[in-house]
Amino acid sequence: AQKITQTQPGMFVQEKEAVTLDCTYDTSDQSYGLFWYKQPSSGEMIFLIYQGSYDEQNATEGRYSLNFQKARKSANLVISASQLGDSAMYFCAMREERDDKIIFGKGTRLHILP
Amino acid sequence: NAGVTQTPKFQVLKTGQSMTLQCAQDMNHEYMSWYRQDPGMGLRLIHYSVGAGITDQGEVPNGYNVSRSTTEDFPLRLLSAAPSQTSVYFCASSYAGDLLAGELFFGEGSRLTVL
Repeated sequence: AQKITQTQPGMFVQEKEAVTLDCTYDTSDQSYGLFWYKQPSSGEMIFLIYQGSYDEQNATEGRYSLNFQKARKSANLVISASQLGDSAMYFCAMREERDDKIIFGKGTRLHILP
Repeated sequence: NAGVTQTPKFQVLKTGQSMTLQCAQDMNHEYMSWYRQDPGMGLRLIHYSVGAGITDQGEVPNGYNVSRSTTEDFPLRLLSAAPSQTSVYFCASSYAGDLLAGELFFGEGSRLTVL
């Protein structure tokens, strides 16, 4: 069964520090994709980054990078040089190729402190 | 572009009433889905569809019905509302069958309260 686990309900980080948000997943499929989304207090869902199961290099998008460790089934999001605007809820999600459905974790609420 | 449009944005129901949350997308996405978001529970998949005429259950399908008669529309029906269905509902769409293009596009959400 498909499953996403985010073990950090909340985090407080000083501005300009790097942040790592944890995500582990469970799947028996060999082909899958991992996604991270940001949800600010305004409520909209913002796509941040994608990692495919066959990608050999970690994905990067600006200040976001995904630390993909396939053997450990982990896909942690790293935010470099955090900013006040990074304060939000962050969700990890997975899509298996065989049935296409997309499952989310419970999320991590990140607070950036000035 | 409109993207994913959900209506209504807010709704208050009494227990036992029925209603339909509408979702429409104009991006020709094969995949459409409904999630509910509750505090501490993340987004939970209710139903999803990979194309017109095809629907499947997600993680929490009980109490909800869906249909997909066109590519554009994916309505969510609550047959007999219960207080446990008080939540924020999101409709989302994406291309199907292509993980690389699997980014979800979300509607703005619909806040439903069942009294």
